[in-house]
Amino acid sequence: DTAVSQTPKYLVTQMGNDKSIKCEQNLGHDTMYWYKQDSKKFLKIMFSYNNKELIINETVPNRFSPKSPDKAHLNLHINSLELGDSAVYFCASSQIMGSGANVLTFGAGSRLTVL
Amino acid sequence: GENVEQHPSTLSVQEGDSAVIKCTYSDSASNYFPWYKQELGKGPQLIIDIRSNVGEKKDQRIAVTLNKTAKHFSLHITETQPEDSAVYFCAASRTGGGNKLTFGTGTQLKVEL
Repeated sequence: DTAVSQTPKYLVTQMGNDKSIKCEQNLGHDTMYWYKQDSKKFLKIMFSYNNKELIINETVPNRFSPKSPDKAHLNLHINSLELGDSAVYFCASSQIMGSGANVLTFGAGSRLTVL
Repeated sequence: GENVEQHPSTLSVQEGDSAVIKCTYSDSASNYFPWYKQELGKGPQLIIDIRSNVGEKKDQRIAVTLNKTAKHFSLHITETQPEDSAVYFCAASRTGGGNKLTFGTGTQLKVEL
């Protein structure tokens, strides 16, 4: 069983379109994230939800809208896609350990290509 | 906010040699420092981590050291093998504030036969 699963794995679309990426985790974690990895491999946090509540919202264009229907799911909807949105988007989940360590489990990534 | 710098960006070693990747952080309140390994086509995966109350931690061929005063930490891989080839990320976070993990810029490690 895949711990953090994202769909689709690949997404090719035209500029101006609207698309969604879905994420589900079966680890029972309370917190979920979306990270963006650009062509230089930089990993940048976009959003974080804890028990369906938004707790981290970095300076991301409001064309990006996360939605968490329950704590096991965190979807990412992107409106009016632009060329610069092309990247690999990673979903992750985590549970704060008793030691305070925040261990993230990542999905396999969704590669978005905007033409 | 936290800023994590990582060096080198690429590292090539011969099989059996050691590899060292270094990171510095800016937020003195950061107290948790994990290292993630990302293989081609996969998501990053935690390989080792260290808390601020510990100076060194070892797990088989990998070890991490932390210098809180200088605000830097390092990953050491000994007896490198081809399967160690991957992108490695350091990260830092502190308790609270959503426990946001800030990643370094990544190091592409290549282990050559």
